[in-house]
Amino acid sequence: DIQLTQSPSFLSASVGDRITITCRASQGIHDYLAWYQQKPGKAPNLLIYAASTLQTGVPSRFSGSGSGTEFTLTISSLQPEDFATYFCQQFNGHPFAFGGGTKVEFK
Amino acid sequence: QVTLKESGPALVKPTQTLTLTCSFSGFSLTTGGMRVSWIRQSPGKALEWLARIDWDDDKVYSISLKTRLTISKDTSRNQVVLKMTNMDPADTATYYCARISTGSSGWYDYWGQGTLVTVSS
Repeated sequence: DIQLTQSPSFLSASVGDRITITCRASQGIHDYLAWYQQKPGKAPNLLIYAASTLQTGVPSRFSGSGSGTEFTLTISSLQPEDFATYFCQQFNGHPFAFGGGTKVEFK
Repeated sequence: QVTLKESGPALVKPTQTLTLTCSFSGFSLTTGGMRVSWIRQSPGKALEWLARIDWDDDKVYSISLKTRLTISKDTSRNQVVLKMTNMDPADTATYYCARISTGSSGWYDYWGQGTLVTVSS
């Protein structure tokens, strides 16, 4: 099975900060990676797919990069509505797996 | 407009079989490339992928849960059903169904709201 390791698990930040979350795969997955945002009590919401393609309607302050085994999600200027938990997901091979999550908290 | 909604019991007893239904609209599971998965999330934990069913009735299961899971579809009712046998308190989680659309290699563009299942005697 392909394992995904996210870091950090928790991140304290302020409005306006630039933040980066990393997702590392246990083996190469090309660009078969997606990022989701989840707020408390809600389902995950797709932000980015194919490592770097922004889902329709997602603000341009979100960006993704990487291929192979290392990927990053960057929020260029954190907004109040961005305080949430972020998950990566690989779809290179079954079983599809999710990372452990990164909770972005208000500093 | 694409929507998915999970339904099923909120409480099950240990050793019982859980049956969850995902009712969807705005797409058809007879359309080539469409797939629906079940994913769960234990309280405060990460997401765990469970199973997937495709438009052509191909099915894939979590390796660790394969012996306990059965996924099926009723295209006339636009529903996907997940059965999980021998429920345990460790299976307490919010269960989501989610869609992989035609043209997607495996990312989920629409999710249901989730249904919380508690396993307790």
